[in-house]
Amino acid sequence: QQPVQSPQAVILREGEDAVINCSSSKALYSVHWYRQKHGEAPVFLMILLKGGEQKGHEKISASFNEKKQQSSLYLTASQLSYSGTYFCGTGTSGNTPLVFGKGTRLSVIA
Amino acid sequence: GAVVSQHPSWVICKSGTSVKIECRSLDFQATTMFWYRQFPKQSLMLMATSNEGSKATYEQGVEKDKFLINHASLTLSTLTVTSAHPEDSSFYICSARDGEGAPGGELFFGEGSRLTVL
Repeated sequence: QQPVQSPQAVILREGEDAVINCSSSKALYSVHWYRQKHGEAPVFLMILLKGGEQKGHEKISASFNEKKQQSSLYLTASQLSYSGTYFCGTGTSGNTPLVFGKGTRLSVIA
Repeated sequence: GAVVSQHPSWVICKSGTSVKIECRSLDFQATTMFWYRQFPKQSLMLMATSNEGSKATYEQGVEKDKFLINHASLTLSTLTVTSAHPEDSSFYICSARDGEGAPGGELFFGEGSRLTVL
């Protein structure tokens, strides 16, 4: 079942913050976050496996709620290089393929 | 990190011909590889799961006779688009997990292959 991502698109000025959400109607095994630039393959950002987990670094981080049905990606003090489409991919077990959300198009302008 | 290589990066072919795309795991063994297709401005849609030494598992709506998948070794999976038509034009991406890694670990993507059918 495809996870629901929101917002669909967002435009930021350099230095602004953004939050991208990814939700599922069922508890998940894992949530993966990827960023894709136009014409390129997705680039891995991070995985969350545990309920209540938060990880990442100062500028880009993510959380996974206790019920493991919702994850958020936090982009802080955005840079021009953050522009791209962000996808969350969800897994229902350790060996299943990921099902990706429809993506969130992020545009950072100067 | 682990590397997945895909070839060719782009291909243009005439309608009715067949095209083969290769996906290799360069520094790890992958008993399972996943093939995705992505249309412009859309999400990655899983086409099939490629299993080394056995038949691929196709997602609903994906024609197994049109998209032939062969996973002959632990480092190579191929996708052949047979009798290609313009509507098959898309970005095809393979991915794999390192079999030695933890379950649910990072999915490594190939560079993608952009197919244009004239």
